[in-house]
Amino acid sequence: NAGVTQTPKFRVLKTGQSMTLLCAQDMNHEYMYWYRQDPGMGLRLIHYSVGEGTTAKGEVPDGYNVSRLKKQNFLLGLESAAPSQTSVYFCASSPSLAGGLRRFFGPGTRLTVL
Amino acid sequence: KNQVEQSPQSLIILEGKNCTLQCNYTVSPFSNLRWYKQDTGRGPVSLTIMTFSENTKSNGRYTATLDADTKQSSLHITASQLSDSASYICVVSEGPSGTYKYIFGTGTRLKVLA
Repeated sequence: NAGVTQTPKFRVLKTGQSMTLLCAQDMNHEYMYWYRQDPGMGLRLIHYSVGEGTTAKGEVPDGYNVSRLKKQNFLLGLESAAPSQTSVYFCASSPSLAGGLRRFFGPGTRLTVL
Repeated sequence: KNQVEQSPQSLIILEGKNCTLQCNYTVSPFSNLRWYKQDTGRGPVSLTIMTFSENTKSNGRYTATLDADTKQSSLHITASQLSDSASYICVVSEGPSGTYKYIFGTGTRLKVLA
C-alpha cells in the first residue's frame, strides 16, 4: 500500500513549456486534490475532484488544468508555464469530504520555472 | 476573511525539552481543526483532529488543545526528540461537515538540537 505517490519529484521548465504532474493513490479514495505550497504561505487548493470524471476549481486555478479519467489518478497540467508557477505541488486524497476524515498527502513535486 | 495564524514562525529547542505551538483562527463557520506535521521535503501528515466539542486530543507525545470560544488552539510537544524537527501546520476546516475547504496556516518550523 503506497498511499499517495507523485511523479516527477523535481522538474525544471522554461517559461512557456508545458508539463503534466501525475498523482496516484491506491486507497480507493473518491476525493483527490492538488495544492501548491509557497514560502510564507499556507497550502492553497488549485483544483479538486469528487470522483472519477469530475473536477472543480479551487482557490488558485488559473494557469492549470486537471483531469480524473481514472479513480486512482489525478493529473495536473500546465499548458504554458510561468515563473509564478514555481512552487512545490502536493496531491492529496480522502475517502470523502465528510468531517473527521483526514486527507492523505503525497511527497510533493518541486517545480522551477525559469 | 477566514484566516489561520500560527506562532511562533520558528522555534529552536534542546532535545528533551517541551514546547507549545499556537494557532489562532478566524474561520467561520467552523467545522474542525487539524494539526499536521511536515518533514522537510515531504508531504504533511495528520497528527490530530478536533471538532468544536473537543478541547483536548493526544497522539503520543503530541497534545492538541482547542478553545472554540476564543478560536485558539495549541500543540504541545512533550520530551522533544530530534525527529520532531519539522514544520507543524494548523488547518481549519470551514463550514459544515462535508466541505472541501481547508484553511492552512503558514506553519511553525521547529528545530530540535542535540
